[in-house]
Amino acid sequence: AAGVIQSPRHLIKEKRETATLKCYPIPRHDTVYWYQQGPGQDPQFLISFYEKMQSDKGSIPDRFSAQQFSDYHSELNMSSLELGDSALYFCASSLLTGGLRDEQYFGPGTRLTVT
Amino acid sequence: DAKTTQPPSMDCAEGRAANLPCNHSTISGNEYVYWYRQIHSQGPQYIIHGLKNNETNEMASLIITEDRKSSTLILPHATLRDTAVYYCIVRVEETDKLIFGTGTRLQVFP
Repeated sequence: AAGVIQSPRHLIKEKRETATLKCYPIPRHDTVYWYQQGPGQDPQFLISFYEKMQSDKGSIPDRFSAQQFSDYHSELNMSSLELGDSALYFCASSLLTGGLRDEQYFGPGTRLTVT
Repeated sequence: DAKTTQPPSMDCAEGRAANLPCNHSTISGNEYVYWYRQIHSQGPQYIIHGLKNNETNEMASLIITEDRKSSTLILPHATLRDTAVYYCIVRVEETDKLIFGTGTRLQVFP
């Protein structure tokens, strides 16, 4: 079965640069979530989109922005990168069925290293 | 969101049942108990979820106490590939986000 696809899998950037992470949800899934997992930490929710509209927001820095496109893929844009942004970034997707949200399926993650 | 408490680590012999406890004493009536696991920096993997009845699927069983203040995830026959961090998460059905706690690091040994 098709899974969540994330690209790139690895990314190295320097401080103050920008980065764009992409997420392709499972076909027919209408909701995308972004999570950040720092070294030795647990995943932290950043932001989510349902039907191309932002649906929930967590502790996402103002330097980050995200959107969901008409084909339901999503991009996380990160500017003025800091060393502390080095982390694994996971995308997950789910489907709203009959007013209830199904479980989230996670992608393999993008490992961002800021030097 | 209700807070969960899990033991930081557990060991289990291969082939034996792994029973992972979770306390969620402040859970509300419309909050579900979800279990995910993360194997060595891979994306978290959904295992099972329940509201108040016990649940079973091909991966595991979930036992929720009658007062819903605690639950146990059971892996009936643990294998080395079950070594992972297991997260117990309480989630309101309408809420998008998953709030991950510190989880239980399960080590399955031969």
